[in-house]
Amino acid sequence: NAGVTQTPKFRVLKTGQSMTLLCAQDMNHEYMYWYRQDPGMGLRLIHYSVGEGTTAKGEVPDGYNVSRLKKQNFLLGLESAAPSQTSVYFCASSSTGYNQPQHFGDGTRLSIL
Amino acid sequence: GENVEQHPSTLSVQEGDSAVIKCTYSDSASNYFPWYKQELGKRPQLIIDIRSNVGEKKDQRIAVTLNKTAKHFSLHITETQPEDSAVYFCAASGPGGGADGLTFGKGTHLIIQP
Repeated sequence: NAGVTQTPKFRVLKTGQSMTLLCAQDMNHEYMYWYRQDPGMGLRLIHYSVGEGTTAKGEVPDGYNVSRLKKQNFLLGLESAAPSQTSVYFCASSSTGYNQPQHFGDGTRLSIL
Repeated sequence: GENVEQHPSTLSVQEGDSAVIKCTYSDSASNYFPWYKQELGKRPQLIIDIRSNVGEKKDQRIAVTLNKTAKHFSLHITETQPEDSAVYFCAASGPGGGADGLTFGKGTHLIIQP
């Protein structure tokens, strides 16, 4: 039981390049989330999903897209990376969402040059 | 939307002493309040949470208190140990109980002095 697994762990991109971050959970959780963490800013919600085939915007969604084609996977895409997207990205999942803990992955450290 | 303020940003205490971290939230409909501990380069890990129908919750050396009227909640760590050194984040759910995500404070760097 691995919990929440994120790939890759590190990545360096050039401005304008695209990439996809993968989050996989093996806990059969319905709810999944993408956050970004910047120094001194805490964690901020980018997008979330309340079930397979659904996605919704969070606090800071601009420049990102997401997809949840399978219940266990939640993908975060950057279509045209910008230096402002340099951050650590965390995925989390929750069983029912309501009043339930969110379990985090190990994060992806992304640098945009 | 929900807004969470966390204080202090840095807290240094002597080993064995107690540490208290405080958070305030803006949305009176928030009903779920977790606390996470994050060590350098690691994932945030849930250490304790409290729901709005409870005023206090304890787990060994850790306790959380919630004052719904004042819209603030606090983390208390007693008998601090070196392994307690980390960044601690509070969060609030908003009316959705966290289903539509959590709003986090900016974190408290807790330093345990030997």
